[in-house]
Amino acid sequence: EAQVTQNPRYLITVTGKKLTVTCSQNMNHEYMSWYRQDPGLGLRQIYYSMNVEVTDKGDVPEGYKVSRKEKRNFPLILESPSPNQTSLYFCASSLDPDRVQDSPLHFGNGTRLTVT
Amino acid sequence: AKTTQPISMDSYEGQEVNITCSHNNIATNDYITWYQQFPSQGPRFIIQGYKTKVTNEVASLFIPADRKSSTLSLPRVSLSDTAVYYCLVGGPLTLSGTYKYIFGTGTRLKVLA
Repeated sequence: EAQVTQNPRYLITVTGKKLTVTCSQNMNHEYMSWYRQDPGLGLRQIYYSMNVEVTDKGDVPEGYKVSRKEKRNFPLILESPSPNQTSLYFCASSLDPDRVQDSPLHFGNGTRLTVT
Repeated sequence: AKTTQPISMDSYEGQEVNITCSHNNIATNDYITWYQQFPSQGPRFIIQGYKTKVTNEVASLFIPADRKSSTLSLPRVSLSDTAVYYCLVGGPLTLSGTYKYIFGTGTRLKVLA
């Protein structure tokens, strides 16, 4: 089944303790991205990647890191989490961002992160 | 392109629901895509269009000639259509000069029995 898989689904941590949220897709998609979703703010893009070793900042990149060493994986790293990073996070991928008409975004089921 | 949608809407089962998205700065190469999000799930693709009307088994999308707005139409909604609906406007990312996807705040649709 074609899908985007995020782990874990729920995560509770403390301020300053490094964590990684994994994202994997099995559709051979070129484009991958991370979003955070907060009440009243909709989906905001954190980072994206056009392909292996090609990443760039979205609208809210502060406090996050990403890497794209393999095409299928795009982990989100919080080196020193803070309470304002408590949010619902989504990973998404698309086949070819230069063919928007044929390449809708496919989303994972989300990771709910709580930082105390 | 930035989009503007109503924050919320209520409807009754069996009615047709129309959700309008405003995108005044849409570019020539931009497509309009709508996503649906249920609680505790990621958004999922519903429909996409460039101009005029597009229809699939789930919804219809109406886009006027000036393309500055679009309307998602859900025929005969049921309780299971209660969700948040997002309008996304974007084109081939290399042409736009950016690889970002900018979502709006979405429209929360509540279907009542």
